Amino acid sequence: GQNIDQPTEMTATEGAIVQINCTYQTSGFNGLFWYQQHAGEAPTFLSYNVLDGLEEKGRFSSFLSRSKGYSYLLLKELQMKDSASYLCAVMDSNYQLIWGAGTKLIIKP
Amino acid sequence: IAGITQAPTSQILAAGRRMTLRCTQDMRHNAMYWYRQDLGLGLRLIHYSNTAGTTGKGEVPDGYSVSRANTDDFPLTLASAVPSQTSVYFCASSPSQGAGEKLFFGSGTQLSVL
Repeated sequence: GQNIDQPTEMTATEGAIVQINCTYQTSGFNGLFWYQQHAGEAPTFLSYNVLDGLEEKGRFSSFLSRSKGYSYLLLKELQMKDSASYLCAVMDSNYQLIWGAGTKLIIKP
Repeated sequence: IAGITQAPTSQILAAGRRMTLRCTQDMRHNAMYWYRQDLGLGLRLIHYSNTAGTTGKGEVPDGYSVSRANTDDFPLTLASAVPSQTSVYFCASSPSQGAGEKLFFGSGTQLSVL
């Protein structure tokens, strides 16, 4: 079966760095997405990786290793507004998105 | 402001009743999707449409139906609601269904079936 695993919850301190991991097993691979979802709101797109390596976008970076079925989202200089759930999703060979359950990130002052 | 509009925002529904969740986008996206989101589970695809006039079944289609008469609208109908359909429903769209196409989500509908 297809599976996406990510931690249920993480806690970090304002101003610090946090890494949210995602491992996957899917039927084929057409890219990996990270979305941010604040409580009670819709998910919004953060990043897309299809080739191995690191993609940097401001305070957020996303890494992919296809051979290991592994990705992480790195958040630097954490701000209180970064408190949210972070969703990992993989596009399979049929171009369907398989979603992880999300990681709830709690930022403490 | 361009985007996706869902209605209603929330609804309490008696079991056995029929309900249609509305979704409209003004971005001229070809692909549209309906997901449900339940605590502890990832987003699960109910139905999708790659272009106007076509629809397909997702991971959890039972008890739901959709139509895509035009590019902009993609309503989701629960023919006879059951308590297990209590969930948050998100409509989403993308320019097409292909590699790298990011989804744009509506604000969601909180549905409670009693």
